[in-house]
Amino acid sequence: AQTVTQSQPEMSVQEAETVTLSCTYDTSENNYYLFWYKQPPSRQMILVIRQEAYKQQNATENRFSVNFQKAAKSFSLKISDSQLGDTAMYFCACYTGTASKLTFGTGTRLQVTL
Amino acid sequence: DTAVSQTPKYLVTQMGNDKSIKCEQNLGHDTMYWYKQDSKKFLKIMFSYNNKELIINETVPNRFSPKSPDKAHLNLHINSLELGDSAVYFCASSPQIGLIYEQYFGPGTRLTVT
Repeated sequence: AQTVTQSQPEMSVQEAETVTLSCTYDTSENNYYLFWYKQPPSRQMILVIRQEAYKQQNATENRFSVNFQKAAKSFSLKISDSQLGDTAMYFCACYTGTASKLTFGTGTRLQVTL
Repeated sequence: DTAVSQTPKYLVTQMGNDKSIKCEQNLGHDTMYWYKQDSKKFLKIMFSYNNKELIINETVPNRFSPKSPDKAHLNLHINSLELGDSAVYFCASSPQIGLIYEQYFGPGTRLTVT
């Protein structure tokens, strides 16, 4: 079974600052994907970024980047130049082909303030 | 064009009633899922279907019955609704089961049982 842990229930950051959201996971699979999803108040689940476990290079999407530490099973999300529109719940998730399902963490509520 | 759509978006009903939530995807994907998000925002998979065939049933009460008339549709029927069924239900799809792809989520259906 795979598990995903997000230890920060809530975080706050000022506009234009940088914030890092933590995620650790556990899986016995060698082949898996990791994802960060964003859920704004509209409740739509939006993919932010994904990382293939076999790739050593950290994924980057504009202001969003990850720090993937495979040995430590850590997958943190860094948001640079935070914007008010980044206010949302952020979910870390793990997908393995064997389980064929996404396992989500409990989420981190991020508030971006002026 | 909406990729994954759900109807209705809001559903308020009384205990003991039977209700259905419909999901359709126009992405040509083979695999569809139902997730439940509880009041604490925790997301957990309920079912997955691949080409109309049930793949995952995550110990969901048998009052919940998914039905897939074709691979573009996955409906969720709930019998004898209980207060604890109040949640947001998300439908999602991905290209193929067993292989690692991102999942595309619908807008969610907020079910309130009174």
